Amino acid sequence: EAQVTQNPRYLITVTGKKLTVTCSQNMNHEYMSWYRQDPGLGLRQIYYSMNVEVTDKGDVPEGYKVSRKEKRNFPLILESPSPNQTSLYFCASVTSTTTGNEQFFGPGTRLTVL
Amino acid sequence: GQNIDQPTEMTATEGAIVQINCTYQTSGFNGLFWYQQHAGEAPTFLSYNVLDGLEEKGRFSSFLSRSKGYSYLLLKELQMKDSASYLCAVLGEDGGYNKLIFGAGTRLAVHP
Repeated sequence: EAQVTQNPRYLITVTGKKLTVTCSQNMNHEYMSWYRQDPGLGLRQIYYSMNVEVTDKGDVPEGYKVSRKEKRNFPLILESPSPNQTSLYFCASVTSTTTGNEQFFGPGTRLTVL
Repeated sequence: GQNIDQPTEMTATEGAIVQINCTYQTSGFNGLFWYQQHAGEAPTFLSYNVLDGLEEKGRFSSFLSRSKGYSYLLLKELQMKDSASYLCAVLGEDGGYNKLIFGAGTRLAVHP
């Protein structure tokens, strides 16, 4: 089954404690992306990756890092989380088809930073 | 700048028809998407328009006018399970790359 998986689904942590949210896709997609979703603001892109070892900043990259060492995995790293990073995070994997680019979203990770 | 506007909330009655509008101003245009998102869940793909006109898919239809920077999502024969947020997203351009820009979403409540 084609899917995007994220772990953990829920996480409560404290300020300054490094954490990693994993994202994995089994569709061999080249393009992957991380978003955060906050009430009234819609989905905002944090980082994206065009292919292995190719990453770039989205709209709100401050406080985040990513890596893309292999095609299927695109982890999101918070080196020193702060309360303003409390949010709902989605990883997405993108395919280009004749009808356009379709994003497949992971189930989401709800992060609370105290 | 890049901007996508859609109403914050809408209500409708079961069995009725509702139209959710979306206007956009973006750098470049490579298509417009509509997604459905139930509370606490991931967005799911509904439709994609890149040419002007109406695309119909079952109870859902999506319309695009590129000259007006306007789209709408039409939901017919509303069901209670259609209560969700509907996200309009435009595939624009940023620095030579395609970039998907999302609106804040329209929260639709369907009442009996």
